[in-house]
Amino acid sequence: GAVVSQHPSWVICKSGTSVKIECRSLDFQATTMFWYRQFPKQSLMLMATSNEGSKATYEQGVEKDKFLINHASLTLSTLTVTSAHPEDSSFYICSARHPSGGRVNEQFFGPGTRLTVL
Amino acid sequence: QQQVKQSPQSLIVQKGGISIINCAYENTAFDYFPWYQQFPGKGPALLIAIRPDVSEKKEGRFTISFNKSAKQFSLHIMDSQPGDSATYFCAATSGNQFYFGTGTSLTVIP
Repeated sequence: GAVVSQHPSWVICKSGTSVKIECRSLDFQATTMFWYRQFPKQSLMLMATSNEGSKATYEQGVEKDKFLINHASLTLSTLTVTSAHPEDSSFYICSARHPSGGRVNEQFFGPGTRLTVL
Repeated sequence: QQQVKQSPQSLIVQKGGISIINCAYENTAFDYFPWYQQFPGKGPALLIAIRPDVSEKKEGRFTISFNKSAKQFSLHIMDSQPGDSATYFCAATSGNQFYFGTGTSLTVIP
């Protein structure tokens, strides 16, 4: 159990267009989802924390107007990269927090989305 | 400030050998320490995790050793195989605070 999917797995778009990435928890309800960005051979960088039914919390330095996050249901969060530019090209990974009781809240990661902006 | 320090950055091990990756943390509020395995172009996958009230956890060829007083934990991969070649991330978490190490690229040569 605890499967997280992302769609699409790979997207190429033209500069100036917007791209939406979906993150779904398939077999559990996730009140909290996280969006990460990963550059080649580097660690994951947390972009924002997405809470169902409320506004996302963005990490310092992440433009909330550029990276729009919507967590409309307990199984779906979306990240929209608006007016994408080549520097937005990256690997975007979401994760969902699985409430496993006590103080431990495990995170399960999606397979990632490779965004290339031409 | 790097909340979790991971070393080495890269590691090359012969098939059948032991791979050891180390992590250290500062915040004593962390209460969950997972290790993730990531293959190129894929998301991280939870490998094994430990809580601070346990000094060691073993699952198959993978063992976490945890030293609470030293605020260090390590991943041991016994009988390393070429299929273990991947990037490994340690992490430390408390509630919604989740911090990754910088990653270790492991190459197991036949």
